[in-house]
Amino acid sequence: TQLLEQSPQFLSIQEGENLTVYCNSSSVFSSLQWYRQEPGEGPVLLVTVVTGGEVKKLKRLTFQFGDARKDSSLHITAAQPGDTGLYLCAGVLRYKLSFGAGTTVTVRA
Amino acid sequence: KAGVTQTPRYLIKTRGQQVTLSCSPISGHRSVSWYQQTPGQGLQFLFEYFSETQRNKGNFPGRFSGRQFSNSRSEMNVSTLELGDSALYLCASSSGGNSYNSPLHFGNGTRLTVT
Repeated sequence: TQLLEQSPQFLSIQEGENLTVYCNSSSVFSSLQWYRQEPGEGPVLLVTVVTGGEVKKLKRLTFQFGDARKDSSLHITAAQPGDTGLYLCAGVLRYKLSFGAGTTVTVRA
Repeated sequence: KAGVTQTPRYLIKTRGQQVTLSCSPISGHRSVSWYQQTPGQGLQFLFEYFSETQRNKGNFPGRFSGRQFSNSRSEMNVSTLELGDSALYLCASSSGGNSYNSPLHFGNGTRLTVT
């Protein structure tokens, strides 16, 4: 079983639409990271959130860490084809970094 | 600055064989971690090395082993390959002393296929 559950598993939307992906756990994390992985490449770190309730914005991407530090969400506004990829969340628990299985996002032009 | 380099990119082996994968971290990074990525399981942590010492190990059988050299380059070895070992093996380096509190920089992985 995954320590971090990501939903949905797959998401296909039209260019210009908004989307949200979720990362949930029953465990409390000291910090949580979001990565994007494109086909044939390794994951690239997008953001790290540390404080419960924290909201970080990266251009059209908004990341939120839950108040209880058990969940997080990633919202993309006006998605573009370049946002296509596998979005992974990773949480630090007991000095180990655990990854979710990811959400595959496809943005159609 | 060159990124994390993994070689080879692709590898095809048969059951029972062994394989060695190589990772060169970003210059100056002393922490190297290895992950196995499969479609169903996502990224599973294999092990982490810092200054030639294994700091942490995931829940994989003893067939999976690794080491780190004095120049921070790392290798992982899988012996007696099984079909289920087919996966993308990712290496990541970080500048901090631990992989959990410093940003990870991933290589593009080695795609291992076991037939």
